[in-house]
Amino acid sequence: KNEVEQSPQNLTAQEGEFITINCSYSVGISALHWLQQHPGGGIVSLFMLSSGKKKHGRLIATINIQEKHSSLHITASHPRDSAVYICAVLIQGAQKLVFGQGTRLTINP
Amino acid sequence: EAEVAQSPRYKITEKSQAVAFWCDPISGHATLYWYRQILGQGPELLVQFQDESVVDDSQLPKDRFSAERLKGVDSTLKIQPAELGDSAMYLCASSFHQGANTDTQYFGPGTRLTVL
Repeated sequence: KNEVEQSPQNLTAQEGEFITINCSYSVGISALHWLQQHPGGGIVSLFMLSSGKKKHGRLIATINIQEKHSSLHITASHPRDSAVYICAVLIQGAQKLVFGQGTRLTINP
Repeated sequence: EAEVAQSPRYKITEKSQAVAFWCDPISGHATLYWYRQILGQGPELLVQFQDESVVDDSQLPKDRFSAERLKGVDSTLKIQPAELGDSAMYLCASSFHQGANTDTQYFGPGTRLTVL
């Protein structure tokens, strides 16, 4: 079993819908990252969380350390949000990121 | 805005050939990472450098892969000989401080390798 599991693996929605992508992990962590990967491969860091909630524009990320779960929300989704969203955790005591398999999001106009 | 540079962007090679990828991190970033991302999966760390020293290469297949960062700036990842299973995206990232929890990692555009 992977240490980091994301759901769903694929998500298709209509423009304007509220989007939720989930990430669960099975190990103790120091921090959790949400990343966005565009077609062609480029990766952009969206959030780094160790507790609570962060918001940037239409993106909101939350983490529940006790439940070992994080969610990424997108409000008023737009076709330009179409990308692969990747959750990655920094394992306690280690200095490297372990990545989930990614969630492919497609927003149709 | 400063970016991580990688070349080539695409590489097609035949199995048993040698390939090399180059990465130039953001100026001043001490930590450099090489990741491999197989289609449909998340990236997997191959090697991490702090300046010119290897910090973690536990997942690097050392029988065929090698990586160096001789002057602590740019880095080269080599595969010799390439195998069909090496087909993947090879991503380079850099961060200012050592340790992913202290600083954001900035990713390059990647090199997509296809082994025929």
